[in-house]
Amino acid sequence: DGGITQSPKYLFRKEGQNVTLSCEQNLNHDAMYWYRQDPGQGLRLIYYSQIVNDFQKGDIAEGYSVSREKKESFPLTVTSAQKNPTAFYLCASSSRDRGSSNTEAFFGQGTRLTVV
Amino acid sequence: RKEVEQDPGPFNVPEGATVAFNCTYSNSASQSFFWYRQDCRKEPKLLMSVYSSGNEDGRFTAQLNRASQYISLLIRDSKLSDSATYLCVVISSGGSYIPTFGRGTSLIVHP
Repeated sequence: DGGITQSPKYLFRKEGQNVTLSCEQNLNHDAMYWYRQDPGQGLRLIYYSQIVNDFQKGDIAEGYSVSREKKESFPLTVTSAQKNPTAFYLCASSSRDRGSSNTEAFFGQGTRLTVV
Repeated sequence: RKEVEQDPGPFNVPEGATVAFNCTYSNSASQSFFWYRQDCRKEPKLLMSVYSSGNEDGRFTAQLNRASQYISLLIRDSKLSDSATYLCVVISSGGSYIPTFGRGTSLIVHP
């Protein structure tokens, strides 16, 4: 079955550590996104990638890094420079075919990151 | 002004009630619109796309008003299981084509 998979579901990080969140999709989507959600808040865009080997900063990119070496994969690294990393992280993908009606975003199940 | 705005609620309604949410967007170049549902501590899931002519899916009706730049979601005959947060999503036709989310409207359906 096609879908988008995030791992791990729960992640604990010590102060000063970098951690990497995995996101894999087999939907053949060109575009992938990382969002952050804090309690009672909407989704805020961290980074996005419209094509392999290219990515752009979103609204809150500071303290995060990404790579897009393969179409299927868009890992997010939360670096020690991110001062408040505890949040729910959501990865999404979508088709960029603007002639298609199927342009909605599909989400992974999310990773809940907690700093301990 | 935020790109996509929603009343966070909560909307607290009895079973069987009809409830409507609105969502306004600021970018007149927006071209694709969706409603997502998010349950507590889960990922958002697509509820329905919103088409220019309006569309219905069972108890759910979505409308788009381009002139006033808002979309709406109407839920008829509310069920307990409709309790969730409803997220409005807008995609603009500019080069980046990024889904932009409202902060969501919380619905609580009680017996």
